[in-house]
Amino acid sequence: DSGVTQTPKHLITATGQRVTLRCSPRSGDLSVYWYQQSLDQGLQFLIQYYNGEERAKGNILERFSAQQFPDLHSELNLSSLELGDSALYFCASSVLGGTSTDTQYFGPGTRLTVL
Amino acid sequence: DQQVKQNSPSLSVQEGRISILNCDYTNSMFDYFLWYKKYPAEGPTFLISISSIKDKNEDGRFTVFLNKSAKHLSLHIVPSQPGDSAVYFCAAVNQAGTALIFGKGTTLSVSS
Repeated sequence: DSGVTQTPKHLITATGQRVTLRCSPRSGDLSVYWYQQSLDQGLQFLIQYYNGEERAKGNILERFSAQQFPDLHSELNLSSLELGDSALYFCASSVLGGTSTDTQYFGPGTRLTVL
Repeated sequence: DQQVKQNSPSLSVQEGRISILNCDYTNSMFDYFLWYKKYPAEGPTFLISISSIKDKNEDGRFTVFLNKSAKHLSLHIVPSQPGDSAVYFCAAVNQAGTALIFGKGTTLSVSS
């Protein structure tokens, strides 16, 4: 158990809908990262938050957004969902972020299926 | 363009033997690398890391080797155990230190 929790574990929804994925980092970690794992693309970095502020953006679509709250939990919002958004979404956390040696610990993931 | 490549999608090894998983990268500015292990229905679990100032790092049965000139790293597992059967991901930390760039993974199967 990494100490990172994600809810829900599974989510099934329809195209055009909007969903929210939730992540609670390990105790004491200030950075939260979101990754998407699809069959053909592997694990891809989406976005990082550090202590409530956006720090880095990766391959995140404009239809997707995230935020980190004062209690450091984070939410990833996916809207106008398309079939191709079906994937595993992982959250990771680290103590600081922004230093190359800061190890990221991953949650169990949320499996999103868009029908 | 893939910056971190794991060219072998799968590897089968017998229990007790050595498992060698390989990873290549293209960006010579990468200076920190990690290996993660992933079981089905779980998130990636951190295994071992190596900084570019070293060429080897060891942790129990796991050793990672880094060859900077060849832009190549490898993970050695000795001896391999059936519980090691999983997908292994190689990752590099991006230059800003803000994200991991992953390879596509190698599925290791250890038979008893």
